[in-house]
Amino acid sequence: AQKVTQAQTEISVVEKEDVTLDCVYETRDTTYYLFWYKQPPSGELVFLIRRNSFDEQNEISGRYSWNFQKSTSSFNFTITASQVVDSAVYFCALSEEGNKLSFGAGTTVTVRA
Amino acid sequence: SAVISQKPSRDICQRGTSLTIQCQVDSQVTMMFWYRQQPGQSLTLIATANQGSEATYESGFVIDKFPISRPNLTFSTLTVSNMSPEDSSIYLCSVGMGGSTDTQYFGPGTRLTVL
Repeated sequence: AQKVTQAQTEISVVEKEDVTLDCVYETRDTTYYLFWYKQPPSGELVFLIRRNSFDEQNEISGRYSWNFQKSTSSFNFTITASQVVDSAVYFCALSEEGNKLSFGAGTTVTVRA
Repeated sequence: SAVISQKPSRDICQRGTSLTIQCQVDSQVTMMFWYRQQPGQSLTLIATANQGSEATYESGFVIDKFPISRPNLTFSTLTVSNMSPEDSSIYLCSVGMGGSTDTQYFGPGTRLTVL
């Protein structure tokens, strides 16, 4: 069964638009961790954020913000005022026991100038 | 976070041959992992590389096809054996600096094409 679902395969926006990436996860554990990674065209996977299951505070880092809601098992990611450099594949991931990461299918974001 | 390097960065290989990918970290790390990313797909965990003992493989991956070594806390290798075109993928190593719940940081990946 898919543990992490990213329903949006591709999103295309014009520069300066906001874009929200959805992530829904499934776990029976009470302690778990959620992550977002960015994979630009170069291929390297860049860590963006880690959130544990006991911390539902939303977080903002520059133009990035994350909304964690345990009630809906969602961990959504918003890029505000998108830029061309934001074009990449974004992966949501879940870590349960043993630090094993389960990745979603990824969402390809294309920001057009 | 640590600085992680992989060699080679890319390679084109003939079917039936084997390729060994190296992962080097600039500091000692607790956990090291190997992932495969098939074209246009997400990442799939191949195995956890255990220092001084046999790797722990995920379902669908076997030691004969993907032998892994981890001789110390800064280095690991993954070999893709008896390659076929289906093995064409990006192979990434990742490291966890602390305990079992730590964040994983990824190397730049090795792009493998098998003809």
